[in-house]
Amino acid sequence: GIQVEQSPPDLILQEGANSTLRCNFSDSVNNLQWFHQNPWGQLINLFYIPSGTKQNGRLSATTVATERYSLLYISSSQTTDSGVYFCAVEVNDYKLSFGAGTTVTVRA
Amino acid sequence: DGGITQSPKYLFRKEGQNVTLSCEQNLNHDAMYWYRQDPGQGLRLIYYSQIVNDFQKGDIAEGYSVSREKKESFPLTVTSAQKNPTAFYLCASSRRTAGELFFGEGSRLTVL
Repeated sequence: GIQVEQSPPDLILQEGANSTLRCNFSDSVNNLQWFHQNPWGQLINLFYIPSGTKQNGRLSATTVATERYSLLYISSSQTTDSGVYFCAVEVNDYKLSFGAGTTVTVRA
Repeated sequence: DGGITQSPKYLFRKEGQNVTLSCEQNLNHDAMYWYRQDPGQGLRLIYYSQIVNDFQKGDIAEGYSVSREKKESFPLTVTSAQKNPTAFYLCASSRRTAGELFFGEGSRLTVL
């Protein structure tokens, strides 16, 4: 099956800092989504982005499908951005495969 | 409010007992999914359903069963055949299969 690798595994930021999370995948994909899991376990869909660039407030994402990677940018980080960020991809089988996640800790 | 409701949020069971986790959505989504998450790991797909009265096995279906008798409901039974059932279980839905995915708040199962 497809391999999904996220980096870095852990990230510690000072409030106000910017950061970039990366998601590499081993095959062509039909679908790529980014999620944020808060410390209580709730998963929120951030972006549905099989290709191109999207922005939502302080977050933006870019997927370069031909080079098999996606980037999630967090600008002016806040303590509420803490949690685990997951990348998930779908090939042709209607199933999303998740990466292991990047744990982000934002310190005040 | 539209959303996905999972119950119970916390569940404790003795080894060898079957347990059923509830998942209800009022988003009018066709597709529904069950994922399992273990500490420090990503999500793994247990079962998914693209339409009422139809469902498919995911990557780790052994020891689990599901039903999809209504569009709104997709309950998961963790059977005694599941060798390591203690985990965080997440239900999700999407308008179409592999579309934008929305999650419930999860059910944390502990088997004693």
